[in-house]
Amino acid sequence: DTAVSQTPKYLVTQMGNDKSIKCEQNLGHDTMYWYKQDSKKFLKIMFSYNNKELIINETVPNRFSPKSPDKAHLNLHINSLELGDSAVYFCASATSQGRDYTFGSGTRLTVV
Amino acid sequence: QKEVEQDPGPLSVPEGAIVSLNCTYSNSAFQYFMWYRQYSRKGPELLMYTYSSGNKEDGRFTAQVDKSSKYISLFIRDSQPSDSATYLCAMSGGNTGKLIFGQGTTLQVKP
Repeated sequence: DTAVSQTPKYLVTQMGNDKSIKCEQNLGHDTMYWYKQDSKKFLKIMFSYNNKELIINETVPNRFSPKSPDKAHLNLHINSLELGDSAVYFCASATSQGRDYTFGSGTRLTVV
Repeated sequence: QKEVEQDPGPLSVPEGAIVSLNCTYSNSAFQYFMWYRQYSRKGPELLMYTYSSGNKEDGRFTAQVDKSSKYISLFIRDSQPSDSATYLCAMSGGNTGKLIFGQGTTLQVKP
């Protein structure tokens, strides 16, 4: 199936831990994104990579570090997790012109 | 003031009703306008994509953009219980592909 897939779907962890979320797309898109959706369903962009190069870095704490080993993968590593990091994180991909935007099914992160 | 404002609802309608969902925005640089549907515990899926002012129709869905008023709408005709979801408007300008979302409107269509 052509898609944007993220793992894991659910992640429950303690404060202070470090965790990673992985994302892969097989749509042939050049651009990948991470979005955060809070408890009120508000979606906000965090990062964007175009062909492995960082092009958008919103005001996100530097505990969050994206890594793109190739244009089909964009991972998100989070250090020293805090309660406020609890949210659903969505990976997305699109063409270089921002068309055919496709979202993954999300990773629900709960920090306890 | 948020760049994109959307009434979060919730909105509850009987099956068969016409639903109107709306967003206003403040940034005149926005050129691309989208509506996404998000079912519970799923990712957003693109419903409609428009570039210019005017109407665009796809089946029971009609997207309307009024750039002069900075106002976009999504109309759903003959609403079905399967339309029950959260509807998010999104906009972008320039070529970074960065989407700015509204807060989302939760819609329930009752049989």
